[in-house]
Amino acid sequence: QVQLVQSGAEVKKPGASVKVPCKASGYSFTRYAIHWVRLAPGQRLEWMGWINAGSGSTKYSQKFQDRVTITRDTSATTAYMELSSLRSEDTAVYFCARDAGYCTGGSCSFYYYMDVWGKGTTVTVSS
Amino acid sequence: DIQMTQSPSTLSASVGDRVIITCRASQSISSWLAWYQQKPGKAPKLLIYDASSLESGIPSRFSGSGSGTEFTLTISSLQPDDFGTYYCQQYNSYSWTFGQGTKVEIK
Repeated sequence: QVQLVQSGAEVKKPGASVKVPCKASGYSFTRYAIHWVRLAPGQRLEWMGWINAGSGSTKYSQKFQDRVTITRDTSATTAYMELSSLRSEDTAVYFCARDAGYCTGGSCSFYYYMDVWGKGTTVTVSS
Repeated sequence: DIQMTQSPSTLSASVGDRVIITCRASQSISSWLAWYQQKPGKAPKLLIYDASSLESGIPSRFSGSGSGTEFTLTISSLQPDDFGTYYCQQYNSYSWTFGQGTKVEIK
């Protein structure tokens, strides 16, 4: 079945970076896009950015533009979200999620809502 | 960014009750709205897309309506498994934004 598998937890110190993997299975990885969304304690879901897993093109939220890098490894069918210069406010659960649209015959129709989600990776930033 | 505001923030209802959650956008988003359910420690689940289309596998007691700036998610007969937090998401304008969530508790 279609799955996005994420690692459990990371603990980082302020100023460090974290790279969160998202392993996809059960579908053609390069035909879809992957979003990254986070949920901080007491906050709402927050979209961070996304990657077209086929072309590798990315788009980021302005809020995270300077600190986030989303990449993918097609041979490993894995997407990655790296967040740098971590601060305590970055303590959150980080989700990867598949866009509901897809590419076919060289043409892509992305829908920008998410139909399959990973279970999330908890990132704790603490000194 | 488009701001999404949900109401109520929390609600407590009995099994069998009709439940309505409202989501308002700060500007028109046509029908580019999705609803998700999230349970503690679990991934969000897509319920509704394009404001009123039911995602495959989602029970028919869930329905969505609205367009422009006002949207509703209705649970026609609340079931014990429907507890959790519900979020709306607009995808009319980058960057995509979510409501603050509505926590649904079963009495």
